Amino acid sequence: GAGVSQSPSNKVTEKGKDVELRCDPISGHTALYWYRQRLGQGLEFLIYFQGNSAPDKSGLPSDRFSAERTGESVSTLTIQRTQQEDSAVYLCASSPQGAGANVLTFGAGSRLTVL
Amino acid sequence: AQSVSQHNHHVILSEAASLELGCNYSYGGTVNLFWYVQYPGQHLQLLLKYFSGDPLVKGIKGFEAEFIKSKFSFNLRKPSVQWSDTAEYFCASRGGSYIPTFGRGTSLIVHP
Repeated sequence: GAGVSQSPSNKVTEKGKDVELRCDPISGHTALYWYRQRLGQGLEFLIYFQGNSAPDKSGLPSDRFSAERTGESVSTLTIQRTQQEDSAVYLCASSPQGAGANVLTFGAGSRLTVL
Repeated sequence: AQSVSQHNHHVILSEAASLELGCNYSYGGTVNLFWYVQYPGQHLQLLLKYFSGDPLVKGIKGFEAEFIKSKFSFNLRKPSVQWSDTAEYFCASRGGSYIPTFGRGTSLIVHP
């Protein structure tokens, strides 16, 4: 597609439920990133994919968080047994290889609210 | 771990005022630097970037930033702001890894 698409745009869930957030990157972009932005905070790195492998998962805050990517396409971020502190905007970004590899194109984000 | 500090969290200006937003990064090696902007209701988008060469870089909408290696700084400037510059501004660095590190962001409000 023309841009990075994320769904759902908004998700309200109860504490303890599992949620899945989806990211559809720009076609041909090999790198995909997930960041989290809590209210009043900066962007917190979660995980990076190069193709369908994740060389850097260092930002995942706990084992309740996991992510996968199918080839060089869609990625899903899963949060199990959600907690109130998981409430945030989850941003996905992608970038191509080569000279453009440094510039990220962001999606609109998925706003998660855990009650 | 790398870090990026943005010292101004909230800035309020009147139209035509000059703007300077501070950004300091921690990585001591070769670094790429960025400013991203998020206008109300829109996605984060690239404002300008520095990879190498001229340390004064020009971006969209009249913004510029200066890379000062000795100060580990990459401050954003605009000589005369407009109401439409109201947005959240994020500084980011990338050095030694594939992962850009972002600052906390600066909220800019420009009064007409």
